[in-house]
Amino acid sequence: DADVTQTPRNRITKTGKRIMLECSQTKGHDRMYWYRQDPGLGLRLIYYSFDVKDINKGEISDGYSVSRQAQAKFSLSLESAIPNQTALYFCATSGGYEQYFGPGTRLTVT
Amino acid sequence: GESVGLHLPTLSVQEGDNSIINCAYSNSASDYFIWYKQESGKGPQFIIDIRSNMDKRQGQRVTVLLNKTVKHLSLQIAATQPGDSAVYFCAENNAGNMLTFGGGTRLMVKP
Repeated sequence: DADVTQTPRNRITKTGKRIMLECSQTKGHDRMYWYRQDPGLGLRLIYYSFDVKDINKGEISDGYSVSRQAQAKFSLSLESAIPNQTALYFCATSGGYEQYFGPGTRLTVT
Repeated sequence: GESVGLHLPTLSVQEGDNSIINCAYSNSASDYFIWYKQESGKGPQFIIDIRSNMDKRQGQRVTVLLNKTVKHLSLQIAATQPGDSAVYFCAENNAGNMLTFGGGTRLMVKP
């Protein structure tokens, strides 16, 4: 089984809808991250959490919110989706410097 | 199809040749660097890392070189194989377990 899982893997939604992307990990790591990936721009950090009581904004947090429900679960929400949020979204975990990534969620906002 | 990497710099090599992928990093205080490989439809996967107190580290078929003077990192892949085709990202750690990622380079291996 994969160490970091993301659901859904693909999602198409309409402008203005609220959606949630979920991430679960079995590595026992305290630190979890959400990234967004756009063509030619690499990975940009949206939010991160160093433990269940810790939530921090990343480089591009506007329009997003997160919830750390447990050590193993970190969800990303788009309260009112807009087309420029169409991207690949990756969850990652770490116990040190190295980060382990999930398979990604491809989100399309029409 | 995979939309990531449409506008990335691309390195095209012949199967069996060596590949060198370069990365310029931004922060002279960065103390740790990682190379990730991202295949189509998958998340980034760890390849090799290096700490700032080293200038070279070798793995299986891969070598990372670090030049702190010019803030440059390179990934060398020996005897490149079709399975090495992917997008490669460097990342630097410059603020306590926070990684900053480069834009990526697409490696294409010609049979």
